[in-house]
Amino acid sequence: SQQGEEDPQALSIQEGENATMNCSYKTSINNLQWYRQNSGRGLVHLILIRSNEREKHSGRLRVTLDTSKKSSSLLITASRAADTASYFCAPPVSGSEKLVFGKGMKLTVNP
Amino acid sequence: NAGVTQTPKFRVLKTGQSMTLLCAQDMNHEYMYWYRQDPGMGLRLIHYSVGEGTTAKGEVPDGYNVSRLKKQNFLLGLESAAPSQTSVYFCASSSGGGVSGANVLTFGAGSRLTVL
Repeated sequence: SQQGEEDPQALSIQEGENATMNCSYKTSINNLQWYRQNSGRGLVHLILIRSNEREKHSGRLRVTLDTSKKSSSLLITASRAADTASYFCAPPVSGSEKLVFGKGMKLTVNP
Repeated sequence: NAGVTQTPKFRVLKTGQSMTLLCAQDMNHEYMYWYRQDPGMGLRLIHYSVGEGTTAKGEVPDGYNVSRLKKQNFLLGLESAAPSQTSVYFCASSSGGGVSGANVLTFGAGSRLTVL
């Protein structure tokens, strides 16, 4: 069944460094989304990338999508302490509008 | 504009008690969802609704019931709570429609439920 699996599951970096998170999924998709969850809060949509896009930018975020490898990556450049959160990729269930969330990746940015 | 509001935010129940979690959205969204989040398990879909008066089972529906009598509200009920239902519950909504995977979800802040 479809599931987004983030890698690594945890990452600790210093402020100013870049953070890269990888996501693998199992079935073909038209779109893939990334979400962020701050501690004790609900998830917040970050970015959506379509299957005909290889790369997309939003501020300090850069998302790539490789449909041939069924993988996506989220790069946060010049990280800040406020970027400390869990990050989830969310591929859709095949042919459905339902999204599947994995376990997430916990990013800690140390000041 | 409140977005998605969940009530209550915290609740402690005894095994066997019943309760209802309320989710309200003010964005005129068609679709609404209930997820639960447990340590090491990620978010799992319990039930969802694609419009007023409709409900459907998600990945982990057992022990829960839902109702969508009004478009803006989605209720999640536990008829006989069990310790395994201790979790953080999130409601989400979306406009729905469109291409698979393009459905952007707006989440509530969560409801933390403990069943003793």
